[in-house]
Amino acid sequence: QSALTQPASVSGSPGQSITISCTGTSSDVGGYTYVSWYQQHPGKAPKLMIFDVSIRPSGISNRFSGSKSDNTASLTISGLQAEDEADYYCSSYTRRSRVVLFGGGTKLTVL
Amino acid sequence: EVQLVESGGGLVKPGGSLRLSCAASGFTFSSYSMNWVRQAPGKGLEWVSYISGRSSYINYVDSVTGRFTISRDNAKNSLYLQMDSLRAEDTAVYYCARGPYCGGDCDPGRYLDYWGQGTLVTVSS
Repeated sequence: QSALTQPASVSGSPGQSITISCTGTSSDVGGYTYVSWYQQHPGKAPKLMIFDVSIRPSGISNRFSGSKSDNTASLTISGLQAEDEADYYCSSYTRRSRVVLFGGGTKLTVL
Repeated sequence: EVQLVESGGGLVKPGGSLRLSCAASGFTFSSYSMNWVRQAPGKGLEWVSYISGRSSYINYVDSVTGRFTISRDNAKNSLYLQMDSLRAEDTAVYYCARGPYCGGDCDPGRYLDYWGQGTLVTVSS
């Protein structure tokens, strides 16, 4: 049950776009469409931003989008805003082993 | 409005036990899977366990298997985590989180759409 791999940090200026990657294996990210992304501000509970690779829950801005290619999933945030500064976590649910894996988290800094 | 409120955290000695509770409201509790996720101080998220709506599917992360037990009482709209043989490395904020609707077959960990505010568990002598 190895964690998924995310960059420790990314940064961007207001209005720019950034992409956070999440790399797994063919047994998890690559083999299933159950990838989700969470945003966590300091001292707060995580918030679901994307599920099933690319679906936004109701109320989530369309500036957030998700995709997947082979064993790597990606979260793209366009039109960066100050309030986007937070930690972001990817997650993959593997039907084969029925476990939930999280990435190590990526700290997004809005310059 | 969906609400999840955890309780039961605190300071416990290594080898001790603790029972966490999560009170749910604002949705048909019995129809949804539920999860526990923890976060050690300054660290990332770690999934701990899930349970399907009718308790048909239960699973744990390897590091807690045999020590933690997840359960639910649908009549009380409550989720529980019994934690035994606690270790220092179990120190974390524990969140309960709602998983997907569980109809027939179920993928309880597919995504977590609502989270509580968490309860802190500290294991220390």
